[in-house]
Amino acid sequence: AQSVSQHNHHVILSEAASLELGCNYSYGGTVNLFWYVQYPGQHLQLLLKYFSGDPLVKGIKGFEAEFIKSKFSFNLRKPSVQWSDTAEYFCAVIRMTTDSWGKLQFGAGTQVVVTP
Amino acid sequence: GAVVSQHPSWVICKSGTSVKIECRSLDFQATTMFWYRQFPKQSLMLMATSNEGSKATYEQGVEKDKFLINHASLTLSTLTVTSAHPEDSSFYICSATFGASGIYNEQFFGPGTRLTVL
Repeated sequence: AQSVSQHNHHVILSEAASLELGCNYSYGGTVNLFWYVQYPGQHLQLLLKYFSGDPLVKGIKGFEAEFIKSKFSFNLRKPSVQWSDTAEYFCAVIRMTTDSWGKLQFGAGTQVVVTP
Repeated sequence: GAVVSQHPSWVICKSGTSVKIECRSLDFQATTMFWYRQFPKQSLMLMATSNEGSKATYEQGVEKDKFLINHASLTLSTLTVTSAHPEDSSFYICSATFGASGIYNEQFFGPGTRLTVL
């Protein structure tokens, strides 16, 4: 089945450590790619998105993601995390087909806990 | 920024009753709204896409008669869970976007509504 896979369900790391969250999708055609973040008790917020052009995209709060088409991947990275980055992170994909117009397909999410 | 609200934030109801959840775009006109369902420790699953003034488009496996969606204005969409049962207990989240079906436009998410059916 076509899907969006996030490799880790839970990640625990210390402040200042580097973070990389994996995301793979299985759609063969053109896609738009997103990373969303959900801080505790808050709604989903867009971190960054990729539509076309430079495969390395920069988002808010120091996050970046790299689209590797050959690997069907869109991994999220941050060089040095802070305690405030504790949140759940969702990768999402929009397939650029007429029957998937604008429809976000989410991965299962990765819970990130940053310890002081 | 674009703000989306949901009301109520949580609701508890008896089995067999109907529950209406509102989704409002507070500072923009939402041409398209989406309804999602999220089970504990799972991802958001798209239930339906709602365009203002037209019938909602439901995802495969989502019962249209069970989950009634109305998008009567550019700032309001409602989801009514009819004859709710305990298995309908979940976290329901809406999102809204302006522009063509959210392809190139960011979806702004509401805070969600926790439904518990006893």
